[in-house]
Amino acid sequence: DAGITQSPRHKVTETGTPVTLRCHQTENHRYMYWYRQDPGHGLRLIHYSYGVKDTDKGEVSDGYSVSRSKTEDFLLTLESATSSQTSVYFCAIKGTHSTGELFFGEGSRLTVL
Amino acid sequence: DAKTTQPTSMDCAEGRAANLPCNHSTISGNEYVYWYRQIHSQGPQYIIHGLKNNETNEMASLIITEDRKSSTLILPHATLRDTAVYYCILPNHSGYSTLTFGKGTMLLVSP
Repeated sequence: DAGITQSPRHKVTETGTPVTLRCHQTENHRYMYWYRQDPGHGLRLIHYSYGVKDTDKGEVSDGYSVSRSKTEDFLLTLESATSSQTSVYFCAIKGTHSTGELFFGEGSRLTVL
Repeated sequence: DAKTTQPTSMDCAEGRAANLPCNHSTISGNEYVYWYRQIHSQGPQYIIHGLKNNETNEMASLIITEDRKSSTLILPHATLRDTAVYYCILPNHSGYSTLTFGKGTMLLVSP
């Protein structure tokens, strides 16, 4: 158990509303990531963070913003949700043993109507 | 970034060994190969990684060819709970441990 908690786990919202997903870790890891997963596209990186207030864009960052004001929390915000952002969102943290060893949360399923 | 090629799907009988191949012909000398799996509706799970020597842990074994252009993940005694999508990944060169997931191999373990 890597100590990752995502919230909410399920959310239904309407187009145009703001949505914030939270990823919380208890392991004090430096690197955190947000991915989305859609049928036919697999997992795609949205944003990542390499420290407090240090973030960068991934492959599919348009329409998303992130914030990392403290080590344990990485927030993903959809300023104005669209139906194309209906997806399952996974948060991940990087372990301490090797470069490519990430631990993923259980996912947050977002439906935008 | 280096790419990997995996079969779309494979079948395996319960109790038998599952051998999942991956081609990574453009791998560079210092790149590790990582394997993950994703059971339906769950987040991806790290399995194992290696550079050039064969590796084994409690979940699986990883065999990497001498030229490092391909590898095989081996689940020695597959169970129904091993039914999942298996991803072979070469971490990106960003320095931030970002991973690019391909489509992976859907392994179906049947009774």
